[in-house]
Amino acid sequence: QKEVEQNSGPLSVPEGAIASLNCTYSDRGSQSFFWYRQYSGKSPELIMFIYSNGDKEDGRFTAQLNKASQYVSLLIRDSQPSDSATYLCAVNSGGSNYKLTFGKGTLLTVNP
Amino acid sequence: GAGVSQSPRYKVAKRGQDVALRCDPISGHVSLFWYQQALGQGPEFLTYFQNEAQLDKSGLPSDRFFAERPEGSVSTLKIQRTQQEDSAVYLCASSVQGLYNEQFFGPGTRLTVL
Repeated sequence: QKEVEQNSGPLSVPEGAIASLNCTYSDRGSQSFFWYRQYSGKSPELIMFIYSNGDKEDGRFTAQLNKASQYVSLLIRDSQPSDSATYLCAVNSGGSNYKLTFGKGTLLTVNP
Repeated sequence: GAGVSQSPRYKVAKRGQDVALRCDPISGHVSLFWYQQALGQGPEFLTYFQNEAQLDKSGLPSDRFFAERPEGSVSTLKIQRTQQEDSAVYLCASSVQGLYNEQFFGPGTRLTVL
């Protein structure tokens, strides 16, 4: 069983809509959760991190964490074509606070 | 520098050649990581340094892979006797030592083994 699961997509939303990206993880001991954005041919860019249950908002982005359900999500409000990218969920794992395990990523396409 | 830098950005090697990939982390970042990313996959952890100490090398796929960070700053990932399955993007990341460890990635080195 893959430790971090994401729907591979593609997820297609119209410009201005809310994009919802989901991630589940298997290690109940995980403490820190990250969302990276990766444009085609580029490296991952950190856009959000969350450590506590609940919501964390930063501009148009909201990360949501539910440790009981082992679920983390990313909402992108007022989606723009420039948000079109692969979004990677990463979770610290293996009982460490440094080793990140990544999902395969969800490809998001925002249509003008 | 402003971010993590890596060189070369692209490397083509013939099967059996040795390659060396360089990473220069963000100034002041104690922790340094190497990841391997295959096409269509998320990055996979290879190894972790805290300063010059290699604290975890559990992700290195074989003894052909070797990493070092002798002075606690620049790191080199060396792959000996490259194989076609080594073709991937090799990503370096660094972070300030801390409890939650937000990692920032360099641009990566795309290695193609013919």
